[in-house]
Amino acid sequence: AQSVTQLGSHVSVSEGALVLLRCNYSSSVPPYLFWYVQYPNQGLQLLLKYTSAATLVKGINGFEAEFKKSETSFHLTKPSAHMSDAAEYFCAVSDLTGTYKYIFGTGTRLKVLA
Amino acid sequence: ETGVTQTPRHLVMGMTNKKSLKCEQHLGHNAMYWYKQSAKKPLELMFVYNFKEQTENNSVPSRFSPECPNSSHLFLHLHTLQPEDSALYLCASSQDVLGRTSGRWYNEQFFGPGTRLTVL
Repeated sequence: AQSVTQLGSHVSVSEGALVLLRCNYSSSVPPYLFWYVQYPNQGLQLLLKYTSAATLVKGINGFEAEFKKSETSFHLTKPSAHMSDAAEYFCAVSDLTGTYKYIFGTGTRLKVLA
Repeated sequence: ETGVTQTPRHLVMGMTNKKSLKCEQHLGHNAMYWYKQSAKKPLELMFVYNFKEQTENNSVPSRFSPECPNSSHLFLHLHTLQPEDSALYLCASSQDVLGRTSGRWYNEQFFGPGTRLTVL
């Protein structure tokens, strides 16, 4: 069965510092992977996705993620944090059994310190 | 309107009330979803509809009753709810996409802003 693990439910970084949010997956076949962001009182917005093309995926708002099969990871990074990046971030893997399900991680809340 | 819209954005109801949540997608997608997001818990998939047919019911209590009259609209009818049902209810829609490199199908889900439900 597929699963997603997000290490660290809360991450704090200083403004201008590197953002690193961790996501590890478990899947018996090459997965499709997604990062979503949720701002307070809003729905989820897609940041980027991995669909078996380039392993380094660039998304919106300066975020990128690298698919590493050997480490079963899909960590989200941004070189320089901005105050507006404060939000909750969710990693998800697409179910491959044709049932249209996503399996979401438990989320990581990012706090950006001035 | 663009994307996925949900109404109302906020709802307060008593345990004996009957109310409905509405979701509408303007993206031409074929699948729609209801999720429940509670504090300190992972996102829970409740229901999936594909081409108006329910394809997933994730052991949801019968006090939640979904309805999908067409591919653009999804409702969640609520009755005799419990305080623990208070949560953010998210609607999403998707369309299958064929991966150019993998040759496998996947779907990309687009979410609405959610309805914040409080049950007193």
